[in-house]
Amino acid sequence: NAGVTQTPKFQVLKTGQSMTLQCAQDMNHEYMSWYRQDPGMGLRLIHYSVGAGITDQGEVPNGYNVSRSTTEDFPLRLLSAAPSQTSVYFCASSYRTGAEKLFFGSGTQLSVL
Amino acid sequence: AQSVTQPDIHITVSEGASLELRCNYSYGATPYLFWYVQSPGQGLQLLLKYFSGDTLVQGIKGFEAEFKRSQSSFNLRKPSVHWSDAAEYFCAVGARVSNFGNEKLTFGTGTRLTIIP
Repeated sequence: NAGVTQTPKFQVLKTGQSMTLQCAQDMNHEYMSWYRQDPGMGLRLIHYSVGAGITDQGEVPNGYNVSRSTTEDFPLRLLSAAPSQTSVYFCASSYRTGAEKLFFGSGTQLSVL
Repeated sequence: AQSVTQPDIHITVSEGASLELRCNYSYGATPYLFWYVQSPGQGLQLLLKYFSGDTLVQGIKGFEAEFKRSQSSFNLRKPSVHWSDAAEYFCAVGARVSNFGNEKLTFGTGTRLTIIP
């Protein structure tokens, strides 16, 4: 039972590069979301999805793009990486809504130089 | 918009002592309330949640929390901590919206718990 799987675990980018953080869940959850975690700021919601084909912005969406073509996958794209995007990124899913128990992945530590 | 305040950045307690972590929220109606725990290098795990009903909720690992509407608080308690409870603890609030399914969770900044022998 894999749960929520994030790849990669670590990534170093140069300013201006683009990349995709992968997130997959095998629990048939409708709701998926991306958070970033920064020291002293807790977790902040970037984007979320309530089902395939449906996405919406969270608290800090600028510089990030998402799509949800399948129930299982919810990739997060950094369009042009900036040092301010250095953070730990978590993907989380739940059965139906953001107000239910969230299942978290183990995180991706991203450094932008 | 909702917000969460965890006033204690770091708390140190002795093993076997009681614990209370504070959480205050701001929201115009009755919110959904959660406590999550994060061990080093790991994702977050749900400890307990409050949706409605009994204001004292029990969670995993012997934790409990009490919703106090008059104080806008949802403090986490444990009567006797174990060394394995050392972690970071996050309080979160979810807004009830008319379009069910679009709730967004807002997390506090976290409280780091250190246990001393």
